[in-house]
Amino acid sequence: DTGVSQDPRHKITKRGQNVTFRCDPISEHNRLYWYRQTLGQGPEFLTYFQNEAQLEKSRLLSDRFSAERPKGSFSTLEIQRTEQGDSAMYLCASSLEAGARNEQFFGPGTRLTVL
Amino acid sequence: GENVEQHPSTLSVQEGDSAVIKCTYSDSASNYFPWYKQELGKRPQLIIDIRSNVGEKKDQRIAVTLNKTAKHFSLHITETQPEDSAVYFCAASSHGNNRLAFGKGNQVVVIP
Repeated sequence: DTGVSQDPRHKITKRGQNVTFRCDPISEHNRLYWYRQTLGQGPEFLTYFQNEAQLEKSRLLSDRFSAERPKGSFSTLEIQRTEQGDSAMYLCASSLEAGARNEQFFGPGTRLTVL
Repeated sequence: GENVEQHPSTLSVQEGDSAVIKCTYSDSASNYFPWYKQELGKRPQLIIDIRSNVGEKKDQRIAVTLNKTAKHFSLHITETQPEDSAVYFCAASSHGNNRLAFGKGNQVVVIP
C-alpha cells in the first residue's frame, strides 16, 4: 500500500496519560499535515510540516500537543496529560509541493478515546 | 482565518437524480477548493478540486463550479447511485497558507 498510513488505528487511554501517534506519508511527499476530526464536523487543522520543518501550528493547539518530523519522512504527534476533550479522530495527510495546487491525501486516522 | 460553510447539512435524492451541494468561503485570497468524500469509518478521499483560475471542472458524473465574485463553489453529482451515499466536505486554502479549512460536511443519501 503506497498511501498514507497511521498507527495505531485505535487508542484508548485514561485521562492524564500521554499518547503518541505515528504517520507515514506517501514516500515522495514533502508536506505533512495533522488534522483532528470530531463527530459531525469536518477535519480541523492542527499543524503542518514541509520536510522536517514545522511551518505552522493552529492557534487552537494546546501546549500539551507536540509534533515532530525529524528526518522529513514519518511524523509523530504526542498529546501529554490527555483530557476527555481530546477524544477525536486524528488524521494525517500528505502532499507534494507543486505550485498552487494543494492536493492532500489522507491516512485512515487514529481514533483516540480518553476515559 | 478562512471560514467555510456548507448547505444543506443533509440531502436525500432518488437514485438517478442529481445532487448539488453549495459552499461559501470568507477569505478572498483562497485559490484552491477541493471536495472530499468520506464514507462511514473511512478516510476522507479527494474526489475533485478546482483552482481559482478556472470556473468549472468536470470528471465523469461529478463537477465543481466556482464563483469567485460571490465566494461560493458547488459540487454537482449527476445520475446518482447508492454508492454515492456519504458525507461530502468542501474545503479551501490559499497559496502560501497550506492549511485546508473544511466545512462541516453534507450527508448525502441516495435512495434506491
